Amino acid sequence: DTAVSQTPKYLVTQMGNDKSIKCEQNLGHDTMYWYKQDSKKFLKIMFSYNNKELIINETVPNRFSPKSPDKAHLNLHINSLELGDSAVYFCASSQGQDDYNEQFFGPGTRLTVL
Amino acid sequence: AQKITQTQPGMFVQEKEAVTLDCTYDTSDQSYGLFWYKQPSSGEMIFLIYQGSYDEQNATEGRYSLNFQKARKSTNLVISASQLGDSAMYFCAMREGMNYGQNFVFGPGTRLSVLP
Repeated sequence: DTAVSQTPKYLVTQMGNDKSIKCEQNLGHDTMYWYKQDSKKFLKIMFSYNNKELIINETVPNRFSPKSPDKAHLNLHINSLELGDSAVYFCASSQGQDDYNEQFFGPGTRLTVL
Repeated sequence: AQKITQTQPGMFVQEKEAVTLDCTYDTSDQSYGLFWYKQPSSGEMIFLIYQGSYDEQNATEGRYSLNFQKARKSTNLVISASQLGDSAMYFCAMREGMNYGQNFVFGPGTRLSVLP
């Protein structure tokens, strides 16, 4: 009964390629997020969606495009991959955006760009 | 400016002893939430404990408790009776609740190593 799932778990690709990471949550949450964790373990939010609408878009290159077909899914598409995109990408979800709403994280996708 | 500061990049503790992981935060909001997450070497992010800015009592959850000092803007995590499985990265995070769309901000993390 996975709450937040991501596919694939590992992604190895060449520079310049386009790739997608999928995320699904079965918690009935209305808000979903994408985070990037760099090699120093620093976690930074990239995007936040509430009820399929973009809420937060941090200073992320426009090569990154999130897509939310419905409340339960938030996919991340990356164009023209660069070496610096190598990181672990986490999807997360929460019910609402009040200060007490904890986030539930997916298992992460380790992206390696060669 | 950093909103969440964790000044201990790494900590060691002997098994069965207690350990305190520090976290200070910066906000001008009156309403906010503070969270701690654990990230073991397997990579997943595990929610541990939550403290609301209006909570008068320190949060506790099993062996985890928070030493919440609002005036000092600190929320230190105390792990009692450390176990080998507690070895992991620990992240402090904050959500400011006043503005719609506020996101989580994470600290840089503290790597805890529990020694047998």
